[in-house]
Amino acid sequence: AAGVIQSPRHLIKEKRETATLKCYPIPRHDTVYWYQQGPGQDPQFLISFYEKMQSDKGSIPDRFSAQQFSDYHSELNMSSLELGDSALYFCASSTRGGLTDTQYFGPGTRLTVL
Amino acid sequence: RKEVEQDPGPFNVPEGATVAFNCTYSNSASQSFFWYRQDCRKEPKLLMSVYSSGNEDGRFTAQLNRASQYISLLIRDSKLSDSATYLCVVNNPGEDSSYKLIFGSGTRLLVRP
Repeated sequence: AAGVIQSPRHLIKEKRETATLKCYPIPRHDTVYWYQQGPGQDPQFLISFYEKMQSDKGSIPDRFSAQQFSDYHSELNMSSLELGDSALYFCASSTRGGLTDTQYFGPGTRLTVL
Repeated sequence: RKEVEQDPGPFNVPEGATVAFNCTYSNSASQSFFWYRQDCRKEPKLLMSVYSSGNEDGRFTAQLNRASQYISLLIRDSKLSDSATYLCVVNNPGEDSSYKLIFGSGTRLLVRP
């Protein structure tokens, strides 16, 4: 079965640079979520989109922005990168199905900020 | 205090052992509950959803006690391949009828030969 696709899988950036992470949800999934997992930490919710509109916001820094496009793929844009932004960034997708809303995760993008 | 609390472990058990993980959550509005498994440097993978009074899937049994806000995962006949971090996850209502996952810190399981 098709899974969530994320690109790139690895990214190395310098401080103060920008980065764009891409997420392609499972076909027919209409909701995309972004999570950040720092070293030794659990995933933290950043932001979600439903039908191309932002539906919820978590602990996403103001330096980050995201959007969902007409084909349901999503991009997370990160500017003025800091060392502390080094983490695994997961995208998950689901269908807006009421209480279940099971989320399936992509393989993640490992961002290293030097 | 974290919204979802787990014993971090590690639990070090021999093959064939039975091991139980516990989890508590603080938001009484939490709607649904899951156990995810995460291998090192990989994405979380859904192991089981936990609804109403719990459910069983092969060697895995999950229980939910809404009154106590407590979730458990029981693994019987442990295999070496069960070694991983087990994340207790709750689905909390967010804005605009959306839901967001809140993760526990995970319980690490090591199954030895």
